[in-house]
Amino acid sequence: GQNIDQPTEMTATEGAIVQINCTYQTSGFNGLFWYQQHAGEAPTFLSYNVLDGLEEKGRFSSFLSRSKGYSYLLLKELQMKDSASYLCAVTSFYNQGGKLIFGQGTELSVKP
Amino acid sequence: DSGVTQTPKHLITATGQRVTLRCSPRSGDLSVYWYQQSLDQGLQFLIQYYNGEERAKGNILERFSAQQFPDLHSELNLSSLELGDSALYFCASSARGDTETQYFGPGTRLLVL
Repeated sequence: GQNIDQPTEMTATEGAIVQINCTYQTSGFNGLFWYQQHAGEAPTFLSYNVLDGLEEKGRFSSFLSRSKGYSYLLLKELQMKDSASYLCAVTSFYNQGGKLIFGQGTELSVKP
Repeated sequence: DSGVTQTPKHLITATGQRVTLRCSPRSGDLSVYWYQQSLDQGLQFLIQYYNGEERAKGNILERFSAQQFPDLHSELNLSSLELGDSALYFCASSARGDTETQYFGPGTRLLVL
C-alpha cells in the first residue's frame, strides 16, 4: 500500500522561508512530485525527485531522502501569491502506468 | 494554461441522473488520467488511458466509466449520481503514460442536488 503524510496547514510571513514536509511509505518507490494548487484551480507542477538530494528551481527547491521516505519543499522569499495548497504525490513501479497517489495537501497561508 | 481542456466547467444535476465530462489532452500527449477531488478525500486517482486503451484503474465506482477516443480525447461518464459524487473532477495528460509529469486541466465542478 501507499501512505503519504503532510501537515494540514502552515502559516508564514511574506519574504520569509517555509519548509513543507512530506513523509511517505510506498512499495516500489519510483518518484515524488510536488504540485501547487490554488483554491478551485488545477494543480500545477512544481518539481520531481527520484534520486536523493536537492533540486533547485528558482525560489522553490525540493529535497528527497529515499532511505527515510521523506521529502520537503522549500519556498524562499515568500510572496502573497504563494498562498495555496501544496500537494505531495508519489508513484510506484508496481503501479501500471504513472498514476499519482496524493497526500491530503498542506494549506499554506502567507501573511503580510 | 496547461494545454489540457475540460468541459463543462460547472455542472449542476440531480440525484439519479447521468452526466458526461469531457477532456482533451495536451497536443502530443497519449495518456489521460482522471482524478476526483472532494473536500474530505483529497485528490484521488480514478482511471488512466493510454492511446485508447485502459492502462490503470483506481478506486473508480462501478457507476463510473470512461473511454478514450481515437482522437485521444476522453470522456468520464457518471451515472446514478449520488450527493456524495459532488466534487471537482480533474483530467490530466502526459506524453507516454509512465512516470512523468502530468499536466492538469481546469477541472469540472459537479454539484449533485
